[in-house]
Amino acid sequence: GAGVSQSPSNKVTEKGKDVELRCDPISGHTALYWYRQSLGQGLEFLIYFQGNSAPDKSGLPSDRFSAERTGGSVSTLTIQRTQQEDSAVYLCASSYRAGRETQYFGPGTRLLVL
Amino acid sequence: QKEVEQDPGPLSVPEGAIVSLNCTYSNSAFQYFMWYRQYSRKGPELLMYTYSSGNKEDGRFTAQVDKSSKYISLFIRDSQPSDSATYLCAMSIVGTDKLIFGTGTRLQVFP
Repeated sequence: GAGVSQSPSNKVTEKGKDVELRCDPISGHTALYWYRQSLGQGLEFLIYFQGNSAPDKSGLPSDRFSAERTGGSVSTLTIQRTQQEDSAVYLCASSYRAGRETQYFGPGTRLLVL
Repeated sequence: QKEVEQDPGPLSVPEGAIVSLNCTYSNSAFQYFMWYRQYSRKGPELLMYTYSSGNKEDGRFTAQVDKSSKYISLFIRDSQPSDSATYLCAMSIVGTDKLIFGTGTRLQVFP
């Protein structure tokens, strides 16, 4: 079946602009996670959604970052007033439910802030 | 100090070699351990997971956990060029949903 998809695959933007990154999880998966992967760094947890529960936003690095998940499916990660240090690969993952379930990752969105 | 430490490599080995990849961690509350493989420009994919100390084998791959030393390893036997990728360890505390990842070790297996 279809895996996790993300769009766009690449995004180049100018410092100060807002960007939106989209994630389509695997159908039927109730948990959705966003991570950031910078050069030389591991995956950094940003936020996760589980069903209709309030999201865990504890990993968001600043209030410029926000995410929403509509209808328990598609999620959008928004970065406002982008900075050069936001340049990274943003990865989305989904799992059947939160906890010890396997997380399936999308290919990521490569963001470059000039 | 990071919660999970992993040598970034790169590690270059000839085809057929046994590869040892390692991570150390500082939080004794970690109880769930995983290894992910990430090919270039792809998302990570789960290779193996384990909850307990000891060894777990799956084909050419063996995951080893030593909780007393806070040390986990992934061994790859008869390594192949197709094993060339970045290997990330990850772990979590039981009852939480966040994975803490190492930085990844880049492995190159040459023919």
